[in-house]
Amino acid sequence: ELKVEQNPLFLSMQEGKNYTIYCNYSTTSDRLYWYRQDPGKSLESLFVLLSNGAVKQEGRLMASLDTKARLSTLHITAAVHDLSATYFCAVVQVTPLVFGKGTRLSVIA
Amino acid sequence: EAGVAQSPRYKIIEKRQSVAFWCNPISGHATLYWYQQILGQGPKLLIQFQNNGVVDDSQLPKDRFSAERLKGVDSTLKIQPAKLEDSAVYLCASSLLRGRRGNTIYFGEGSWLTVV
Repeated sequence: ELKVEQNPLFLSMQEGKNYTIYCNYSTTSDRLYWYRQDPGKSLESLFVLLSNGAVKQEGRLMASLDTKARLSTLHITAAVHDLSATYFCAVVQVTPLVFGKGTRLSVIA
Repeated sequence: EAGVAQSPRYKIIEKRQSVAFWCNPISGHATLYWYQQILGQGPKLLIQFQNNGVVDDSQLPKDRFSAERLKGVDSTLKIQPAKLEDSAVYLCASSLLRGRRGNTIYFGEGSWLTVV
């Protein structure tokens, strides 16, 4: 059974500093997604990572994938308040999109 | 481009009552998913359709949950009878093709169910 673990589950970030969220998964997969969810809202797609070594960047967020280590990271550069949300990674195997529990980010001044 | 539409947005029912949620996917999307998201957790797949056929319903509690996608477009998810533990957000999602690498899966805003 595919398991997806994120850490940390909660992260309080200071504005202007850099942080990393980790996503580990238990079995081979060829696709990993990152989603953002604001309170009371649905899931917004951020990145789709398809291959080992894939790196994608959008604004202050950068995601990477290491399929050999079964690890993806979401790096946040110079955190700003607008990034406060819950971030989910999700992995595809036979069952589509098995989600982690999410990382709740809060940016403080 | 219109997104995934869901209704109702909010529903409060008593336990043992029934409820139905409706989903209209993005036009042209062959694959439709229903996910259940309990507060504080990640979404969990309930059922996946490819056109009007069921691809995966292994995690659907079939004694009380049912879903259909009769014409390969809209879908309905029903719960009967509801239990307290069914309180959750029910998310509908769609994508162009199942198994197509690089497909983005788009989510609707969800239907929030409270069972009292």
